[in-house]
Amino acid sequence: QQQVKQSPQSLIVQKGGISIINCAYENTAFDYFPWYQQFPGKGPALLIAIRPDVSEKKEGRFTISFNKSAKQFSLHIMDSQPGDSATYFCAAPLTYSGGGADGLTFGKGTHLIIQP
Amino acid sequence: DAGITQSPRHKVTETGTPVTLRCHQTENHRYMYWYRQDPGHGLRLIHYSYGVKDTDKGEVSDGYSVSRSKTEDFLLTLESATSSQTSVYFCAISVGGVTTNEKLFFGSGTQLSVL
Repeated sequence: QQQVKQSPQSLIVQKGGISIINCAYENTAFDYFPWYQQFPGKGPALLIAIRPDVSEKKEGRFTISFNKSAKQFSLHIMDSQPGDSATYFCAAPLTYSGGGADGLTFGKGTHLIIQP
Repeated sequence: DAGITQSPRHKVTETGTPVTLRCHQTENHRYMYWYRQDPGHGLRLIHYSYGVKDTDKGEVSDGYSVSRSKTEDFLLTLESATSSQTSVYFCAISVGGVTTNEKLFFGSGTQLSVL
């Protein structure tokens, strides 16, 4: 059972445009919503994250918008550049009973291509 | 990828053979994780560890076992590899946050092909 549902699966945006990737979650106990960026041949890397006490967080050209009532959060990439071409994953904390280690559960990923 | 070394980086093996993947960290982090990445499935947690000899199952643990005899090493073993275990395997460590499980730092991955 997938706990975070991500869309679209792939996205093509022109250079300078806005890239938008969406994620929906079910568990209202989630309290941390990160986005990871992955380049080919590399491991995912934390890009930006938000907590549900705010509706928006901005870091440079990257913004997370959070809608608690709709249980959705999205990543916006402003002025998209070819170097932003990568796979993006949304995530949320897992909750297990043992040891408090938890980890993250991930969406299926969005393959983003920025065309020059 | 500072702090995490995965080995081997690539491996080809035959169905039915045992395979062990190694994750080594140099920064003494308590929490370590093994994920697999497959097209259309994203990243899925296999097993995790919250200390030496303390491990637990993740979302897709069937067919896998892990061991952690030292803080710095977390081993993933496929007892009898199957073609469905062909995947890219990532090790991750938790580098902290408000709760300890939040910020994950990933290694570069191991590409495993089971023929």
